[in-house]
Parts: sequence; C-alpha cells; structure tokens
Amino acid sequence: DTAVSQTPKYLVTQMGNDKSIKCEQNLGHDTMYWYKQDSKKFLKIMFSYNNKELIINETVPNRFSPKSPDKAHLNLHINSLELGDSAVYFCASSLRQLDTQYFGPGTRLTVL
Amino acid sequence: AQSVTQPDIHITVSEGASLELRCNYSYGATPYLFWYVQSPGQGLQLLLKYFSGDTLVQGIKGFEAEFKRSQSSFNLRKPSVHWSDAAEYFCAVGAPGNTDKLIFGTGTRLQVFP
Repeated sequence: DTAVSQTPKYLVTQMGNDKSIKCEQNLGHDTMYWYKQDSKKFLKIMFSYNNKELIINETVPNRFSPKSPDKAHLNLHINSLELGDSAVYFCASSLRQLDTQYFGPGTRLTVL
Repeated sequence: AQSVTQPDIHITVSEGASLELRCNYSYGATPYLFWYVQSPGQGLQLLLKYFSGDTLVQGIKGFEAEFKRSQSSFNLRKPSVHWSDAAEYFCAVGAPGNTDKLIFGTGTRLQVFP
C-alpha cells in the first residue's frame, strides 16, 4: 500500500484554467504539507495542516487554496493557472510537526 | 529564522569511492536536522535525522551524518558509494520552539561513475 499518494501524477493544462491535485495518506499522521519544487529542484513549503487546521501558510498567491476534508486528505486547488505555476508539487505527511516527513510521488504540473 | 546551505551543487564520484556531502545551518539553538534523498521522478525519502543525543547518526542505505555544533554542520557520509546512490540529496533544518516548518537546502546532485 502506498503511504502517501497523489493524483494525478501529470497535469498539463492551459493558462487561465482551474485545476486540483489530491493527496491521501494512510499512515495515521496528524500533519500534512504541500511543497512546490521548481525546475532547479528548490523545494519550498506552501501550506501545512495539523488535524485539519491550517498552521503554515507561506507567501503563496490567493489562487492557491488548500482544503483538508479530514486528517487523511489534503487537496490543493489552483485557480487561473499561470505559466509560473509549472512545477512539481509534493504532498507530505508526518506524525507531528517537525518530525520525519513522508513524501508522495509528486504531481508534475505544466501550464501552457 | 533558521537557514541551511549546501555548498556543493553537483558532485561526481567513482563507484566504490567514499562520499561526503556538506550541509551548514544557521540557528541559535540546537536544530532538528534531516537528510533526504530524491531519486529521479520520485518523492523525497528520509535517510537519517538528528534531534538530540549521540552526534553521529546512522541512517538507511549505509549513510551516516555527524552533527558538529562548533562548525554548524551536519555532513552526510558514506564509505563506499554504489551506482544506485546517484540521486539528489537534500539537507533540511527545523527550529523547534521557533517555527513549525522545515527549511530545505538547495540540494546536491550526486553522479556515480562505474
């Protein structure tokens, strides 16, 4: 069983569209994260949820909106996609904050 | 706020040679330190971590790292590299009691030649 799964793995879309990425973890963890990895492999945290509550909200455009329906799921919705949003987005989870994070396989988003 | 630096962008070694990847951090107290590995097209996987105690930490796949407070470093080592170790390696630092987020270094790409 995959510990942290993301769908879709690849996402190709036009500028201006709205898209969502889904993440699920079956590890029983309380904390989940969204990271963005750019073309130079730089990894930056976007959001973190602990027990469905938003605890980290970095300087991310309002077009990005996370939603955590329950502790096992953290989805990312992106409105009005821009070229600069092209990146690999990783979901991760940990038992508690600052503990070992388990990463999903990533979603490669390409905006044309 | 904490920060982390990986001075080496790209390292090339021969299979069987020893390896050391550098990581320097900036934080006023004892940080939480991690090394992650990312194989091509995959997510990150934890190699090892340091929270407290013994400053020499053993990890998976034969890796180890040593926390040196005097040098603000947490370098990753392996005595004999295998071709399958070719990947991107990330050092990360957490600042307990200060912020709940990990800061990742810019990564070091390891290439292994036969």
